[in-house]
Amino acid sequence: QVQLQVSGPGLVRPSQTLSLTCTVSGGSISSGTYNWSWIRQLPGRGLECIGYISYTGTPYYSPSLESRLILSVDTSKNQFSLKLTSVTAADTAVYYCARDGGGGAFDYWGQGTPVTVSS
Amino acid sequence: QSVLTQPPSVSGAPGQRVTISCTGSSSNIGANYDVHWYQQLPGAAPKLLIYGNTNRPSGVPDRFSGSKSGTSASLAITGLQAEDGADYYCQSYDYSLSGSVFGGGTKLTVL
Repeated sequence: QVQLQVSGPGLVRPSQTLSLTCTVSGGSISSGTYNWSWIRQLPGRGLECIGYISYTGTPYYSPSLESRLILSVDTSKNQFSLKLTSVTAADTAVYYCARDGGGGAFDYWGQGTPVTVSS
Repeated sequence: QSVLTQPPSVSGAPGQRVTISCTGSSSNIGANYDVHWYQQLPGAAPKLLIYGNTNRPSGVPDRFSGSKSGTSASLAITGLQAEDGADYYCQSYDYSLSGSVFGGGTKLTVL
């Protein structure tokens, strides 16, 4: 059973960089043709796919965030990571990591971590 | 403003049937991209409910079904149960954005 676990700070100061890591267990991040994704849920409900990285390390960034977003994968640690620079209050959200199991459906999700941007 | 449009809320009595619509456009659902549905219980991560328009992952009751036509898709829930009260989201791919897009979510209330 594949499991994903998000880790990172819950509070980030405005203009700083948000860094999150997703650790995958129960399967190798480099096996199969999965895309490892980051999804956030803004206050009030909406879900937003902010980017994903393939097992080969090829990233996709949401057009609205690509100037501030860096995604990476560390196959040796079975982890993938997110860095979002110059954060503002608008980046306050619950951040999830998830696996695109093929066909675009997110079949496994991490537990989600709330991130607040505030001074 | 979400790319895919869902009604904010629906409701139904136990045992009834409800449907949740998801309306897209020619750059996503209408371009023949698959639609997927998720159920999110309070305080939990979304859970995949329907994938590839009509398919249910193992463990999802057959009370849940999906359909797609043109630029829209629907999720139907029959034999409504109290535990079905949750938020439901549709998701597809949009070629103009080159990425996945979600609906704004629908809150299902079981009366």
